Amino acid sequence: QKEVEQNSGPLSVPEGAIASLNCTYSDRGSQSFFWYRQYSGKSPELIMSIYSNGDKEDGRFTAQLNKASQYVSLLIRDSQPSDSATYLCAVSRGYSTLTFGKGTMLLVSP
Amino acid sequence: KAGVTQTPRYLIKTRGQQVTLSCSPISGHRSVSWYQQTPGQGLQFLFEYFSETQRNKGNFPGRFSGRQFSNSRSEMNVSTLELGDSALYLCASSEGTATNEKLFFGSGTQLSVL
Repeated sequence: QKEVEQNSGPLSVPEGAIASLNCTYSDRGSQSFFWYRQYSGKSPELIMSIYSNGDKEDGRFTAQLNKASQYVSLLIRDSQPSDSATYLCAVSRGYSTLTFGKGTMLLVSP
Repeated sequence: KAGVTQTPRYLIKTRGQQVTLSCSPISGHRSVSWYQQTPGQGLQFLFEYFSETQRNKGNFPGRFSGRQFSNSRSEMNVSTLELGDSALYLCASSEGTATNEKLFFGSGTQLSVL
């Protein structure tokens, strides 16, 4: 059974700190990796995608992928209270069929 | 571009009834996927349609079905509702190609089964 594992949290960080969110997956055939942010009562919003080993940076967000270790991470620099949300890791082996983790709740305190 | 539109936003049904949910994807997107989200199980994949054909199906009973129309709009049907079907049902659209699977979600339909 394909699984995506995330620590449920909450992960608490002070404003301005770096938040580090981690995810492991079981399906070695996974090719595409995504991070979604979901505010309470809202639908998931795509914030990062990564397809090859290494780092990918977009503003304050950096996604890291290590296929050999089956590990994906998301770093949020200069964390803001508005970043407080649940972060969902998702993986796909193709054709828009994503397997999601249950998410990590992030709390950024002012 | 308009986003993914789901209707209705809220639904209350009783056990044994059936329900139909609707989804209009982003213009130009040919893939529509449906997910069920519950506090206990998280987001679970129901099925995905591309150009009116079901390409992938998750591990849900046959009471859950869907279809896609020629304009890419999609409907999801749940028959003989059970209490455990209470959930947020999310529709997502994407280009659906092997090189671009980014999903964009609608606001969801919150279904309550009494």
